[in-house]
Amino acid sequence: EVQLVESGGGLVQPGGSLRLSCGVSGFTSSRDAMSWVRQAPGKGLEWVSAISSGSGSSTYYADSVKGRFTISRDNSKNTLYLQMNSLRAEDTAVYYCANHRRWYFDLWGRGTLVTVSS
Amino acid sequence: QSALTQPASVSGSPGQSITISCTGTSSDVGGYNYVSWHQQHPGKVPQLMIYDVSYRPSGVSNRFSGSKSGNTASLTISGLQAEDEADYYCSSYTTRSTYVFGTGTKVTVL
Repeated sequence: EVQLVESGGGLVQPGGSLRLSCGVSGFTSSRDAMSWVRQAPGKGLEWVSAISSGSGSSTYYADSVKGRFTISRDNSKNTLYLQMNSLRAEDTAVYYCANHRRWYFDLWGRGTLVTVSS
Repeated sequence: QSALTQPASVSGSPGQSITISCTGTSSDVGGYNYVSWHQQHPGKVPQLMIYDVSYRPSGVSNRFSGSKSGNTASLTISGLQAEDEADYYCSSYTTRSTYVFGTGTKVTVL
């Protein structure tokens, strides 16, 4: 079965760090670009970051997370990562990983909740 | 990276047609034919409904259609059904090689 499964979410204090993972099964993850998209409680979708297919040599970030978040991929483990540093209350959200097919998101994980609070 | 502008809510009676607009700029919606639409039911994962402005993925009802004129894209749902009640988000690729989502539209079936 083709699926994406996120993990690593939880409660973290402001200024803290967290690393999210997204396991890919049912297809070879290196085939496509991938993104992280988040959704704050009761709010809309916000694109966070993307990484190119293959080795992931190209990465892209939303202005709101640039310099604090780092996206990466380990194709040997079929896994996508998001390292989140200097977390703020406004980073509280469900984080989804999404697979790209060309320039759209065709497959989404179920998401993992990140709560930034003291 | 301002969000694309969508109406907060749109409603219609069963069987009617409704249209949701998605307004951006020449740096996103107007710059590429890479607009997509996602449907999200409460507590559920977003589901792709339209890609590349007007193409439907396999399995999506032909009651859903997309179009674009200038910096504004549109999603039309014809023959509105109760199961169409959900939130809808447009998204676009941008000239900065990033993506931007719309503000979201809540569709209510009266």
